[in-house]
Amino acid sequence: GQQVMQIPQYQHVQEGEDFTTYCNSSTTLSNIQWYKQRPGGHPVFLIQLVKSGEVKKQKRLTFQFGEAKKNSSLHITATQTTDVGTYFCAGPPTDKLIFGTGTRLQVFP
Amino acid sequence: DSGVTQTPKHLITATGQRVTLRCSPRSGDLSVYWYQQSLDQGLQFLIQYYNGEERAKGNILERFSAQQFPDLHSELNLSSLELGDSALYFCASSVNSNNSPLHFGNGTRLTVT
Repeated sequence: GQQVMQIPQYQHVQEGEDFTTYCNSSTTLSNIQWYKQRPGGHPVFLIQLVKSGEVKKQKRLTFQFGEAKKNSSLHITATQTTDVGTYFCAGPPTDKLIFGTGTRLQVFP
Repeated sequence: DSGVTQTPKHLITATGQRVTLRCSPRSGDLSVYWYQQSLDQGLQFLIQYYNGEERAKGNILERFSAQQFPDLHSELNLSSLELGDSALYFCASSVNSNNSPLHFGNGTRLTVT
């Protein structure tokens, strides 16, 4: 079946450092979505990318969808303690929305 | 507030028992998804319904079943519970089934003792 892997699994950064998580799918995705789950919370939708090579920005967050539509990345510039949480990518080859393994980000002040 | 309501918030039960988790989707959303999240793990897709019909199935155990009612609320039934079923169960809803963004409820934490 389809697998969506994310690396790294964990990342600890000092506040102000940059952070990147990578998402790789075993199959081509029609689109990719990113979610953030704060500790003790539920996943919250961040963004959706649809086009091959698409890049979208949300303040300090930059999202990219690969040319082959099988990978994606999320880059956070100058992390803040509010960025703490687990970041999931999610992709649908069909109607199923399969979530990646997640990257847990810890930011030290 | 995502607009998705899940009840109960917490459930503690014994092995072998059966429980029902309930989800009310966001107003206007026709699709309901169920996910299982074990401690510090990812989100495992269980099942999706769209406007009352089963649309997609994940790795859902035979002991688990779900349905979506005419008023669009959904229930997830877990039977013959085992210790390994202890997890956070999330319901999410979306406008349609064409990969629109998901809005998650706060989850039901199930503990099987």
